[in-house]
Amino acid sequence: AQSVTQLGSHVSVSEGALVLLRCNYSSSVPPYLFWYVQYPNQGLQLLLKYTSAATLVKGINGFEAEFKKSETSFHLTKPSAHMSDAAEYFCAVSDPAWQNFVFGPGTRLSVLP
Amino acid sequence: EPEVTQTPSHQVTQMGQEVILRCVPISNHLYFYWYRQILGQKVEFLVSFYNNEISEKSEIFDDQFSVERPDGSNFTLKIRSTKLEDSAMYFCASSVGGRGDEQFFGPGTRLTVL
Repeated sequence: AQSVTQLGSHVSVSEGALVLLRCNYSSSVPPYLFWYVQYPNQGLQLLLKYTSAATLVKGINGFEAEFKKSETSFHLTKPSAHMSDAAEYFCAVSDPAWQNFVFGPGTRLSVLP
Repeated sequence: EPEVTQTPSHQVTQMGQEVILRCVPISNHLYFYWYRQILGQKVEFLVSFYNNEISEKSEIFDDQFSVERPDGSNFTLKIRSTKLEDSAMYFCASSVGGRGDEQFFGPGTRLTVL
C-alpha cells in the first residue's frame, strides 16, 4: 500500500528565505508524485509532478522538487519565499497501476514579513 | 482556462437526510473523482469513475454513497442518509487520462451535517 508522510505540519519562513517542504513516500512500485497547493477556501492546484522523466521537476510559481529514489523523498523547494506562497501544501503519490491519489497530511506554510 | 466547478459551495443538512453534491468536470476529461477532507485532516480518496461506471473506490465509499453522471456534463455524489461524521469538504476532480495524469480539482463543497 502506498503512503505519504510530510514532516512538519506547519513551517514558517521569512520573506525571501528558502522554502523546504518535506515529503517521503512508500510505494511498492515506481510511483508518480505530485505537489498540490491549497489557498484558503479554494481547491487544490497542481504545483508540479514527477512521472518517471527528469528527477528534478520545475513547477509553477518558482517551485521545484527532486525525486530521490534512494531516500524515497520528493521534497519541495523554492529559493526565495514570497508572501503569496502562504498556503497549505500537499504531497500526493499515485501508483501507476491505480487511478486514485494518496495524499499526505499537508504542511501549512507561513511567510513572515 | 477550463476549470472544474462544484455546487453548492456550502450545504447544511440534518442527520439522516439525503444530499447530492454536484460537479461539472472539464469538458474533454474522461476520468472523474471524488475526494473528501475532514476539517484539519488530509484529503482522502473516495471514488473514481470512468466510462459510466465506478473504476475504483475506497473503504470510505460504502453503501451510503453513490455517484452518477446523469447527463454529459454533471457528475454527482449522493449521500443517502447523512451522518455527523460525513461533515467535510468534498472535492471533485477530473483528468484526461487515468493513471498518473494530473487531476484538476474543483473548489469543493463544504458539507455540514447537524
